[in-house]
Amino acid sequence: NAGVMQNPRHLVRRRGQEARLRCSPMKGHSHVYWYRQLPEEGLKFMVYLQKENIIDESGMPKERFSAEFPKEGPSILRIQQVVRGDSAAYFCASSPFPQGVLYQETQYFGPGTRLLVL
Amino acid sequence: QKEVEQNSGPLSVPEGAIASLNCTYSDRGSQSFFWYRQYSGKSPELIMFIYSNGDKEDGRFTAQLNKASQYVSLLIRDSQPSDSATYLCAVFGNQFYFGTGTSLTVIP
Repeated sequence: NAGVMQNPRHLVRRRGQEARLRCSPMKGHSHVYWYRQLPEEGLKFMVYLQKENIIDESGMPKERFSAEFPKEGPSILRIQQVVRGDSAAYFCASSPFPQGVLYQETQYFGPGTRLLVL
Repeated sequence: QKEVEQNSGPLSVPEGAIASLNCTYSDRGSQSFFWYRQYSGKSPELIMFIYSNGDKEDGRFTAQLNKASQYVSLLIRDSQPSDSATYLCAVFGNQFYFGTGTSLTVIP
């Protein structure tokens, strides 16, 4: 049973380019979370998605960032017109249960995508 | 005030000793509490979760929760060099909040 998969593992972009990060959840999981981890900082929640729905995007910057989880295919986190401050590790996590189902909130993390903006 | 606070460390313990990692949280309505281990350059790996006040043991690991004090801890008995990592405390109320992590080094 494959775990959460993310690609690419490393991504280098120049300022102003677009970054597209992909996440395939564990088999049987239909709930996906995206987090950003900056050096010396903790994981910061960005967005929670179910298939074809954005449930909670309260952690997403209002501009340049978007996320989707289509009916078919991986979840995608898109960052437009990247800036150096976007350089970070971006982790995806998945869960078989909806957020808020008491005692079922365990998430499983992918290996992350390290984004470097030059 | 941060939602989840941890001492960043580094915490150093000799091999075979007990390592004690602490975490406090601000949202009194938080329901679920997790400890993740993260090796350098790797993704967080779930070690334990706890929901009720008291202790929960799993092998060499014990999680302790005190909701009245808004405090959760992780004890690692018989620490091994392979336990050297950053330990992240995570709290779920209406959203997941992670601490910045405590760096643990187990000295052979």
